Amino acid sequence: NAGVTQTPKFQVLKTGQSMTLQCAQDMNHEYMSWYRQDPGMGLRLIHYSVGAGITDQGEVPNGYNVSRSTTEDFPLRLLSAAPSQTSVYFCASTPTGGGYTFGSGTRLTVV
Amino acid sequence: EDQVTQSPEALRLQEGESSSLNCSYTVSGLRGLFWYRQDPGKGPEFLFTLYSAGEEKEKERLKATLTKKESFLHITAPKPEDSATYLCAVRGGGATNKLIFGTGTLLAVQP
Repeated sequence: NAGVTQTPKFQVLKTGQSMTLQCAQDMNHEYMSWYRQDPGMGLRLIHYSVGAGITDQGEVPNGYNVSRSTTEDFPLRLLSAAPSQTSVYFCASTPTGGGYTFGSGTRLTVV
Repeated sequence: EDQVTQSPEALRLQEGESSSLNCSYTVSGLRGLFWYRQDPGKGPEFLFTLYSAGEEKEKERLKATLTKKESFLHITAPKPEDSATYLCAVRGGGATNKLIFGTGTLLAVQP
């Protein structure tokens, strides 16, 4: 039982490049979400999904896309990276009403 | 708008010196208040969920309490290994499982 697995752990992108942050969970949780964490701003919700085929925007969705084709996977796509997207990204999953299980994070730097 | 405010931003304690962290919240229809611990370079780790005023939960040297406006995380006789950032989050009456996080309290326990 691996919990929530995020890859890669570190990434450096050039402005304008695109990439996908991977997130997978093996707990059969319906709800998954992506947060970014920046100094002094806490964890902010980017996108979330209440089940396969269903996604919605969080607090800071601009510049990011998500899809949920399976219960297990919830990738986050950066369409055209900008320096403002330099951050630590966390994926989390939860059963309905329960506490979140977080991945170990992806540290992204956009230069 | 749902909001979570944590204080203090940082706290330095001597080993064995008990103290409390505060989490004040405003939310429409609280459906859970969550405490997490986050170590440097890692994802948040779930500690407690509280659902109603008057509820308390304990784990080792930590005890979380809840009122209608705030929650406290009491740390009794802390040890250096308790050093971490402690995050508070609330789930309100909106999207099923969406959590709103505070910016955290950075706790340092010196031997």
